[in-house]
Amino acid sequence: SQQGEEDPQALSIQEGENATMNCSYKTSINNLQWYRQNSGRGLVHLILIRSNEREKHSGRLRVTLDTSKKSSSLLITASRAADTASYFCATSNPGANNLFFGTGTRLTVIP
Amino acid sequence: DTGVSQDPRHKITKRGQNVTFRCDPISEHNRLYWYRQTLGQGPEFLTYFQNEAQLEKSRLLSDRFSAERPKGSFSTLEIQRTEQGDSAMYLCASSFRTSYNEQFFGPGTRLTVL
Repeated sequence: SQQGEEDPQALSIQEGENATMNCSYKTSINNLQWYRQNSGRGLVHLILIRSNEREKHSGRLRVTLDTSKKSSSLLITASRAADTASYFCATSNPGANNLFFGTGTRLTVIP
Repeated sequence: DTGVSQDPRHKITKRGQNVTFRCDPISEHNRLYWYRQTLGQGPEFLTYFQNEAQLEKSRLLSDRFSAERPKGSFSTLEIQRTEQGDSAMYLCASSFRTSYNEQFFGPGTRLTVL
């Protein structure tokens, strides 16, 4: 079953703009991970943030986590056409071995 | 490290036929997962192996589905008597036991049941 929801479901921006995607989840977590998926392809791991962390950076990516609100955000700065993809958040929950995925945000970056 | 690989990448079959997919995880990873993804949805968990032991199966894994990981390396997922509702992307992932459950995915096998 899906654990959370991403918001918005779809986002279209111009190249060079920043893109922000949000993820809400329902239960306590060990960590939250963000993945990218190009159309019809597998998932690429982007970044993992642990439950005791509030913010993490990797290149043009910035992830925040608010466990009190059960939410996370992914910011992609200075977007490029190659960033066009679907982005999923996934939670790793206490006592569970699998990841629970949201429904994804479809990002389109217009050149 | 060549990443997680899956074979075949695409499979088209007729309803009622059996299909088998293969996953080769990252070599030092002892955990292997299968997920299913339908159009417009996120991946949903099917089953999980630690080494050769299948430790968890979801309710999505009906009696027609079976998975093996005989030597703790590659894994196979078999679907018997396929149905049109089995059409989906089947994703394999692997992780290392002490890695905060950071999972790395293969390219997937897209199954189409006619």
